[in-house]
Amino acid sequence: SQQGEEDPQALSIQEGENATMNCSYKTSINNLQWYRQNSGRGLVHLILIRSNEREKHSGRLRVTLDTSKKSSSLLITASRAADTASYFCATDSADGLTFGKGTHLIIQP
Amino acid sequence: NAGVMQNPRHLVRRRGQEARLRCSPMKGHSHVYWYRQLPEEGLKFMVYLQKENIIDESGMPKERFSAEFPKEGPSILRIQQVVRGDSAAYFCASSIDRDGYTFGSGTRLTVV
Repeated sequence: SQQGEEDPQALSIQEGENATMNCSYKTSINNLQWYRQNSGRGLVHLILIRSNEREKHSGRLRVTLDTSKKSSSLLITASRAADTASYFCATDSADGLTFGKGTHLIIQP
Repeated sequence: NAGVMQNPRHLVRRRGQEARLRCSPMKGHSHVYWYRQLPEEGLKFMVYLQKENIIDESGMPKERFSAEFPKEGPSILRIQQVVRGDSAAYFCASSIDRDGYTFGSGTRLTVV
């Protein structure tokens, strides 16, 4: 199947709760990247985590990478209505950059 | 549904030549986005187009770069008089208005 598969496909939570999205991949990677896409707009780069890193933080975002399980997770803490968007992971490998289909996150007020 | 098709997959150009990158969006998609990825970096937004219109070109270099999305045919990203610094992977994505944002496999441009 495709490199960089996000899970779940859709997620709806209450404002203030934490949101966790997962990404699995199959081949060796150089780095893994998470992006946000708001409806009708281009991608926004969130975080890049290298293959030798295990965890990275940026504001309310926390990304983990487990290369033994070939998986990554994106945690958004204290979610806000403005976090409603689609979130994509992309794996950067010898084959280039490959995107998954995304997780659509809805934050209920 | 063939997905978003980009060609060529690899393109080699000598300094000073022109590079033309093509992106055929998914069937029914009228929105196209172009991005550039430099080695070991994330994607950088370049331009957002709808059929025959440029909506947002805030990420496009002011010179040598242009993009179009004609009524018929693929979207074209054109780089004139390429320089070594243009070497990168160029990705396009397409969408139907607010849904179905899908990426192509990219074109890797090498300037020699």
